[in-house]
Amino acid sequence: DTAVSQTPKYLVTQMGNDKSIKCEQNLGHDTMYWYKQDSKKFLKIMFSYNNKELIINETVPNRFSPKSPDKAHLNLHINSLELGDSAVYFCASRPWDRGGTEAFFGQGTRLTVV
Amino acid sequence: GQQVMQIPQYQHVQEGEDFTTYCNSSTTLSNIQWYKQRPGGHPVFLIQLVKSGEVKKQKRLTFQFGEAKKNSSLHITATQTTDVGTYFCAGGYQKVTFGIGTKLQVIP
Repeated sequence: DTAVSQTPKYLVTQMGNDKSIKCEQNLGHDTMYWYKQDSKKFLKIMFSYNNKELIINETVPNRFSPKSPDKAHLNLHINSLELGDSAVYFCASRPWDRGGTEAFFGQGTRLTVV
Repeated sequence: GQQVMQIPQYQHVQEGEDFTTYCNSSTTLSNIQWYKQRPGGHPVFLIQLVKSGEVKKQKRLTFQFGEAKKNSSLHITATQTTDVGTYFCAGGYQKVTFGIGTKLQVIP
């Protein structure tokens, strides 16, 4: 059983398109994250949700909009895609009441904007 | 805001040599975590350190947390090709801030 699953694994799209990446975790965790990993492998936090509530919103263009329909899901919608959005996007989850615990990462979604 | 620096960014070692990566934070950390990301893979949790001066070992890996809880290190003894990957430190309670990572290449 996959603990944190993301779809799709690969996404190639043209500039200007709108796309979504889905994430689901079956660990019963309250907190979910989106991270962006660029070509230099730097992992940068984008958003964090706790029980469907947005708790961390880093300086991310408002073309990026997270949505959490329930605490097991955190989706990422991106409008008007730009070349610079090309990266690997990782979803992660961890328990809320024990913040200092390990984060479980999904397999990643490699987004390529052409 | 909190910044976590990590050095070196890249390290090539001959198989059998030792390897160390260092992590420094601009602020005191409640805890430090270490993750490993294999090429093409996702970050996988290795360990967490919480106490000042704490040292933990996992086989050939030794993790240390500084006395001031602002720095940490990961040391690998006698590297193997299976150690290849990027090692990240991460700090923070709810907002987990990752260092830039150290990419380790092991030459057989």
